Amino acid sequence: QVHLQQSGPGLVKPSQTLSLTCAISGDSVSSNTVTWNWIRQSPSRGLEWLGRTYYRSTWSVDYAESLKSRILIVADTSKNQFSLQLNSVTPEDTAVYYCARVAGGLFHSWGQGTLVTVSS
Amino acid sequence: ETLMTQSPVTLSVSPGERVTLSCRASQGVTSNLVWYQQKPGQAPRLLIYDASTRATGIPARFSGSGSGTEFTLTISSLQSEDFALYHCQQYNNWPWTFGQGTKVEVK
Repeated sequence: QVHLQQSGPGLVKPSQTLSLTCAISGDSVSSNTVTWNWIRQSPSRGLEWLGRTYYRSTWSVDYAESLKSRILIVADTSKNQFSLQLNSVTPEDTAVYYCARVAGGLFHSWGQGTLVTVSS
Repeated sequence: ETLMTQSPVTLSVSPGERVTLSCRASQGVTSNLVWYQQKPGQAPRLLIYDASTRATGIPARFSGSGSGTEFTLTISSLQSEDFALYHCQQYNNWPWTFGQGTKVEVK
């Protein structure tokens, strides 16, 4: 049974950096059969895939085109977790953020979600 | 990227009714289509994958059909626990994309 536990602040000031972490239990961040993803959800955009990291003999990342200039996803093998950083946030980045484990294109396991509000 | 369009946005129904939700892809996704159910305050839960295969533990009242660009999720007799938000997602064309969701609410 895979469990994903998210942590990070729920309030971020405009122009600052949003940082979230997803701790994994029941699987390894270094697994070569799954990918580790971040998604967000807002009433206006629905579910929006943000990016992923995965290990296939080397580490790789993919990001949503619209966020490429300000997003960073990093895996930490020593803590079996992965993280999201989103720079230069604006109120439009206000959303519930989820981490998720994906296999074969299916989002099998999700974190509990973190409401992040961008406001001064 | 592949745009997924769900309809209707909101569906008002009574318990026991048959419900049909639609999902349309802007380009073909073969049968690589999944449905999720999401209840308030919870993360989405995988219901059906490969367009028509129920995930483990999903009741038989949920069924999926379609291929290519047109897909349907049917709930044969709506139960009280089925009032929720339903999302479709394609995993045929990179990047994976989600629909905007259909909310099934009490009439």
